[in-house]
Amino acid sequence: AQSVTQPDIHITVSEGASLELRCNYSYGATPYLFWYVQSPGQGLQLLLKYFSGDTLVQGIKGFEAEFKRSQSSFNLRKPSVHWSDAAEYFCAVGAKNTDKLIFGTGTRLQVFP
Amino acid sequence: DTEVTQTPKHLVMGMTNKKSLKCEQHMGHRAMYWYKQKAKKPPELMFVYSYEKLSINESVPSRFSPECPNSSLLNLHLHALQPEDSALYLCASSQIDGRHQPQHFGDGTRLSIL
Repeated sequence: AQSVTQPDIHITVSEGASLELRCNYSYGATPYLFWYVQSPGQGLQLLLKYFSGDTLVQGIKGFEAEFKRSQSSFNLRKPSVHWSDAAEYFCAVGAKNTDKLIFGTGTRLQVFP
Repeated sequence: DTEVTQTPKHLVMGMTNKKSLKCEQHMGHRAMYWYKQKAKKPPELMFVYSYEKLSINESVPSRFSPECPNSSLLNLHLHALQPEDSALYLCASSQIDGRHQPQHFGDGTRLSIL
C-alpha cells in the first residue's frame, strides 16, 4: 500500500540554523511528491513538487528537497531558518490512478530566536 | 493571498441547522476537492469533483452533501451535523493533465458544532 512517513512529529531549531525535515514514502513506481506548509489558521501552501528529472528541486521561501529513490526519501531542507518558517509541514505523494494525495502525519517546526 | 477563496471563514451552527460552505477558484482548474482537517492532523479527503462530476466520495456521511454548480464553484451543504464534525474544512483545486498536478488550497472554513 502507498504511504508516507514523517518520522519527526516536532522539531525545534534556532533562527539561522539549517533545517532538514524527513519524509519517506512507499510507492511502486516513480512517485509524484510534494511538500506543503501550513501556518496556524491557514490552508496548505505548496512549497515544491517532484515529478521527474533533476532530483534536487527548488521551491519557494528558500526551501529545497532531494528525491532519493534508493532510500525512498524526499527530505526538505533550508540552509538558514527564519522565525516565520514556524509552521506545520506535510509531505505528500500522489496516489496511483486516482486524484488522491496521501499525506504524512506532519512535522511541527518551532523556531527559537 | 490564496487563489482559492472559501466562505465563510468561521461558522458556528447547531446540530439542527442547515448551512453551506462555498469555494471558488478562477485558475481554470477542472478538479476540485473537499477536505476535513482536525487539529494537529493532516487533511482527510472527503470528495473530489472532476469536470464538475463527483469522482470520489470517501464514504462521507450523508449529512455532508457536495455540489459543483460550475467549473469555478464548489459547495458543501451541511445538515444535522454532530459535534465531532467540528473541524477545519479545506477546499482545493488542481489542473487535470494525466499527472498529479499540485493542489491549491484555500484558507478553510473553521466549523464549530454546538
